[in-house]
Amino acid sequence: AQTVTQSQPEMSVQEAETVTLSCTYDTSESDYYLFWYKQPPSRQMILVIRQEAYKQQNATENRFSVNFQKAAKSFSLKISDSQLGDAAMYFCAYRSSNSGYALNFGKGTSLLVTP
Amino acid sequence: EAGVAQSPRYKIIEKRQSVAFWCNPISGHATLYWYQQILGQGPKLLIQFQNNGVVDDSQLPKDRFSAERLKGVDSTLKIQPAKLEDSAVYLCASSLGGYNSPLHFGNGTRLTVT
Repeated sequence: AQTVTQSQPEMSVQEAETVTLSCTYDTSESDYYLFWYKQPPSRQMILVIRQEAYKQQNATENRFSVNFQKAAKSFSLKISDSQLGDAAMYFCAYRSSNSGYALNFGKGTSLLVTP
Repeated sequence: EAGVAQSPRYKIIEKRQSVAFWCNPISGHATLYWYQQILGQGPKLLIQFQNNGVVDDSQLPKDRFSAERLKGVDSTLKIQPAKLEDSAVYLCASSLGGYNSPLHFGNGTRLTVT
């Protein structure tokens, strides 16, 4: 079974600064997807960014980018120019055909953004 | 496009009572997922449907939980009888199916069992 580990229960960043959230995973598969989801107090999971394992280039979406290290099984999320609206729970998730394409989530990191 | 709809938004029941949650996925989405999210944890998959067939229900406590997706569209998740440890947010998600299609989540139902 694949496991996803987020070792930072809470992180804090000042507005306009940069923060990096960590994620590691354990798998024996070679083909899979990795995701970062944001969950604000409204509870709805919002897709932030995704990375295909066979792509070496790190994914970017505006202020969000990832550092994907396949050999190290590491998948960190960098948020640049942090905004107050970025405050939320962030979940790292893994997906593969062996899991029926369902998402396997980590425990999450609570991000606080201070003015 | 309309998102994934879930109801109710909140539910409070006493232990040993029964409860049901409803989910209406995005139109045309073949795959539907129910997740349980206990406070302070990440969501855990309970059951996955492909159309009206079950793909994975290995983590569904079948002695008290049941789910169905009649006609391959709406889905209902039921708990009977509820236990205190069932207090959680129940999230429904849907996708077109397959590797490249992202999951779209509803706003969830927060269940409190007293």
